[in-house]
Amino acid sequence: AQSVTQLGSHVSVSEGALVLLRCNYSSSVPPYLFWYVQYPNQGLQLLLKYTTGATLVKGINGFEAEFKKSETSFHLTKPSAHMSDAAEYFCAVSEGRDDKIIFGKGTRLHILP
Amino acid sequence: DGGITQSPKYLFRKEGQNVTLSCEQNLNHDAMYWYRQDPGQGLRLIYYSQIVNDFQKGDIAEGYSVSREKKESFPLTVTSAQKNPTAFYLCASGSGQGAEAFFGQGTRLTVV
Repeated sequence: AQSVTQLGSHVSVSEGALVLLRCNYSSSVPPYLFWYVQYPNQGLQLLLKYTTGATLVKGINGFEAEFKKSETSFHLTKPSAHMSDAAEYFCAVSEGRDDKIIFGKGTRLHILP
Repeated sequence: DGGITQSPKYLFRKEGQNVTLSCEQNLNHDAMYWYRQDPGQGLRLIYYSQIVNDFQKGDIAEGYSVSREKKESFPLTVTSAQKNPTAFYLCASGSGQGAEAFFGQGTRLTVV
């Protein structure tokens, strides 16, 4: 069965610094991978997704992620943090065949002025 | 506008009562999902449905029930058997086959 591990329940970075949020997955077949963002008391919004093809995926708001099969990782990065990036971020995996989507426990990103 | 509508946004119930959370989508998606969110636990899958009149248990189905009589609707009932029902509940839909899920705004259920 597929699963997701997000390293670090809280991450703090200074405004303008690099953002790196870590995600490792487990899947018995080539996975579909997603990053979502959640603002307080709201639903989740898709940042980016990996299906097949190019392993470096670009998303909204300047975020990108790289699929590394050998490391079973899909880390999320942004070159320069902005105060508006403060939110909770979720990594998710799907094996596709049964439409099931499994989420990690989330990482809360804090931006320091 | 296309999207997913969850209602109500806030719901209060007394312990021992069943309660039904509504989820409607007009995106023509085949797959629909219910997740429960608790602080520090991420999103945990309760039930999901790939097609009308069919659904599967997720990781924490005990104490919950669903139906999928129409493509656009996937209501969740929180029964009195659910030991800790107070949580934030999120409904989502998607095209399936590895496609992303689109989320509603959530229902915060408080049981007193």
